Amino acid sequence: EAGVTQFPSHSVIEKGQTVTLRCDPISGHDNLYWYRRVMGKEIKFLLHFVKESKQDESGMPNNRFLAERTGGTYSTLKVQPAELEDSGVYFCASSQVPSGRAAYNEQFFGPGTRLTVL
Amino acid sequence: AQSVSQHNHHVILSEAASLELGCNYSYGGTVNLFWYVQYPGQHLQLLLKYFSGDPLVKGIKGFEAEFIKSKFSFNLRKPSVQWSDTAEYFCAVNLKAAGNKLTFGGGTRVLVKP
Repeated sequence: EAGVTQFPSHSVIEKGQTVTLRCDPISGHDNLYWYRRVMGKEIKFLLHFVKESKQDESGMPNNRFLAERTGGTYSTLKVQPAELEDSGVYFCASSQVPSGRAAYNEQFFGPGTRLTVL
Repeated sequence: AQSVSQHNHHVILSEAASLELGCNYSYGGTVNLFWYVQYPGQHLQLLLKYFSGDPLVKGIKGFEAEFIKSKFSFNLRKPSVQWSDTAEYFCAVNLKAAGNKLTFGGGTRVLVKP
């Protein structure tokens, strides 16, 4: 079974440009998460989709970030316009919605997209 | 603010040495606890998790962790490390009342010298 995939693996852009990151979750996983790790800091939550709906976007830093998940499959995260402080590694994760007595399901992480804003 | 703290940023040890990585969290509610590992050039992957029950949990590759509720801690241990354990280790907490999101510690880079 394919894991979580992310594209591109690296992106180098100039300040003020736009970048779109893509995440393909594991097939059948309705939960999709975006996280970010800025250099030297901890991995921080950005937002959580359940299918195509934003369940929690409390971690989105500002309105330059727009996440979408049309159709409830893959997701995109667009940064427009990019700023220097947006540099970091953007991780996507997915998980199944718990069923039965399970209260929580493991999040599976993608390889990340390393974004560098010059 | 609620947070997760990992005590060491870098750990260097020799093969066969014992490893213990500290993790403390500041949440007061019911939590799910995790340790993730990222080997060089690889994805983050789950080492072990605690949801409820026996506070001593065993994970993959000989790792174990102990949840001590009174100390808000979830320390990771391995009795005898191998060179292949060189990686970055992340403690993560899910506060049940706050949805599914994970809050991570800052990570600990472990270098095992052969």
